[in-house]
Amino acid sequence: DSGVTQTPKHLITATGQRVTLRCSPRSGDLSVYWYQQSLDQGLQFLIQYYNGEERAKGNILERFSAQQFPDLHSELNLSSLELGDSALYFCASSVEPQYSRRYTFGSGTRLTVV
Amino acid sequence: AQKITQTQPGMFVQEKEAVTLDCTYDTSDPSYGLFWYKQPSSGEMIFLIYQGSYDQQNATEGRYSLNFQKARKSANLVISASQLGDSAMYFCAMREGRSSGSARQLTFGSGTQLTVLP
Repeated sequence: DSGVTQTPKHLITATGQRVTLRCSPRSGDLSVYWYQQSLDQGLQFLIQYYNGEERAKGNILERFSAQQFPDLHSELNLSSLELGDSALYFCASSVEPQYSRRYTFGSGTRLTVV
Repeated sequence: AQKITQTQPGMFVQEKEAVTLDCTYDTSDPSYGLFWYKQPSSGEMIFLIYQGSYDQQNATEGRYSLNFQKARKSANLVISASQLGDSAMYFCAMREGRSSGSARQLTFGSGTQLTVLP
């Protein structure tokens, strides 16, 4: 157990639908990062939150959004899903504001859009 | 331009032998960190080793060591005494300092699939 909890582990949904992925960071970590891993794009950074505030955006589509709550858990919302959104979505956490020497990843949510 | 380059899509190694996985990086930041992660077929991302740009010594963690050549911008992972359980995808990643502002996200390479042969 890495200490980062992601739910659900698997999700199958239809095109056009909306889903929410959840992440609880490792105890003591204030920063949460979302990544998408697909066969054609590799591991792509989506978005980062630090202590409830958005810190950085990467290759995140407008159909996707995220937030970090006061208890530091984070949710990634994916809407108007397309077949190409099928991927493994990772959440990672790290200690901030120091220069992190470890980013701990959750086990991922495998999203399949049919 | 690619920030992290892993030129070996696939590698094979005999059990109990050592193997080196290549990684080169590109940054103009003086302060950065380099990471290696292992992703077995089950999918999770497992942290292996970290090297900071100012670290004087090459990092080691058990059977893993990082051959850090700053001038060449390379951070190769060396796995000694390979085991069957080392078969997995290996990713090199970088965290940049000041040029990324206050963000601290990792940028990943495309990975190397390592297969350990019995």
